[in-house]
Amino acid sequence: GDSVTQMEGPVTLSEEAFLTINCTYTATGYPSLFWYVQYPGEGLQLLLKATKADDKGSNKGFEATYRKETTSFHLEKGSVQVSDSAVYFCALSPVPVTTDSWGKLQFGAGTQVVVTP
Amino acid sequence: NAGVTQTPKFQVLKTGQSMTLQCAQDMNHEYMSWYRQDPGMGLRLIHYSVGAGITDQGEVPNGYNVSRSTTEDFPLRLLSAAPSQTSVYFCASSAVGNEQYFGPGTRLTVT
Repeated sequence: GDSVTQMEGPVTLSEEAFLTINCTYTATGYPSLFWYVQYPGEGLQLLLKATKADDKGSNKGFEATYRKETTSFHLEKGSVQVSDSAVYFCALSPVPVTTDSWGKLQFGAGTQVVVTP
Repeated sequence: NAGVTQTPKFQVLKTGQSMTLQCAQDMNHEYMSWYRQDPGMGLRLIHYSVGAGITDQGEVPNGYNVSRSTTEDFPLRLLSAAPSQTSVYFCASSAVGNEQYFGPGTRLTVT
């Protein structure tokens, strides 16, 4: 079945450091890929997404590129801030996109990121 | 526009007790789902619904029941709580092909 693997945390960084969180997936076809962020005590928020190969999703300084050849969707940010401290989840939505399949997100285990001043 | 709301925020149950976790959305989304979040395991789908009157099982449905009588509401019922159901529960909703919106979560402890 479909699965998502992301690097374990916690990842501890200093402010203004470069952040990379690795995410690889196993799925049939070309699923839609997502990064969600969970700030302390809150629910998940969509950070960015990509729906086809070579698409780049971007938001709030974060970027991720859908790489079908390596089945990866790594998250990057060039200069992190303390406010980026959160848990980041990589997820996929299986194909084909139907009413039934769309919401069946498959999540990775999550990576906690801690940014210190 | 409140988005997705969940009640209660926190709940402690004794083994064998039953309860209902409430979820409501005001975005007229056809798709709603329940996930549980456990350390090191990400979120796992419990049940989902593609519209009023239609529900189906996700990855970890055992011990949980759902129903969807209206577009807005999607309650999750624990029939006989077990310590293994200690978790954080999230409800989500979306239109097909669009972003999923998550509620703030319910933290459940079963002793």
